[in-house]
Amino acid sequence: DIVMTQSPDSLAVSLGERATFNCKSSQSVLYSSNSKNYLAWYQQKPGQPPKLLIYWASTRESGVPDRFSGSGSGTDFALTISSLQAEDVAVYYCQQSYSSPYTFGQGTKLEIK
Amino acid sequence: QVQLVESGGGVVQPGRSLRLSCAASGFTFSSYAVEWVRQAPGKGLEWVALISYDGTNKYYADSVKGRFTISRDNSENTLYLQMNSLRPDDTAVYYCARVDDGGWGDYWGQGALVTVSS
Repeated sequence: DIVMTQSPDSLAVSLGERATFNCKSSQSVLYSSNSKNYLAWYQQKPGQPPKLLIYWASTRESGVPDRFSGSGSGTDFALTISSLQAEDVAVYYCQQSYSSPYTFGQGTKLEIK
Repeated sequence: QVQLVESGGGVVQPGRSLRLSCAASGFTFSSYAVEWVRQAPGKGLEWVALISYDGTNKYYADSVKGRFTISRDNSENTLYLQMNSLRPDDTAVYYCARVDDGGWGDYWGQGALVTVSS
């Protein structure tokens, strides 16, 4: 199974500042035949289901603000919020869909400093 | 609009069975894979199972393999999760999600709480 490891476990950032979440997979999730990374990012607020933010490692889902961006390839990925807003307080998860089981990282909790 | 509504959750004793349902609407259900993801109280997300658009292919997490069965009825636009031999560590909110081409969940239900306790 592919193990997804996120860092840090929690993050406190001031409003308007940049927040960066990291995600590392135990093996590459880059599919050579189409050069796509099977890596997605989700946002989950308390009492709500997860919301898809980013897929293919760097493609924003429709309706997601452009302050959210994804980067990385192979085994190392990052999600960046360029200017933190109060409504971004949540837990953020990465997930690989390269091979079953489609494992999630343990999550990074984002708080306001 | 796309909607997924889970039902069938509740309190069940260890060793017993429960079946969850997920009613889908607002999209062509038979064209999409769908999956179950669970979240234990205060914990992270755990992928549980996925079924292909036509029900031909099914995939499971090791933690539920042999105990849980995912199925679907495309004529009723409904996804199921049959859970047998339930254990206390199966206690969680169970979400169903539509799976996009790349394997991620692009639409999610609100979840159904399953509590396994004597």
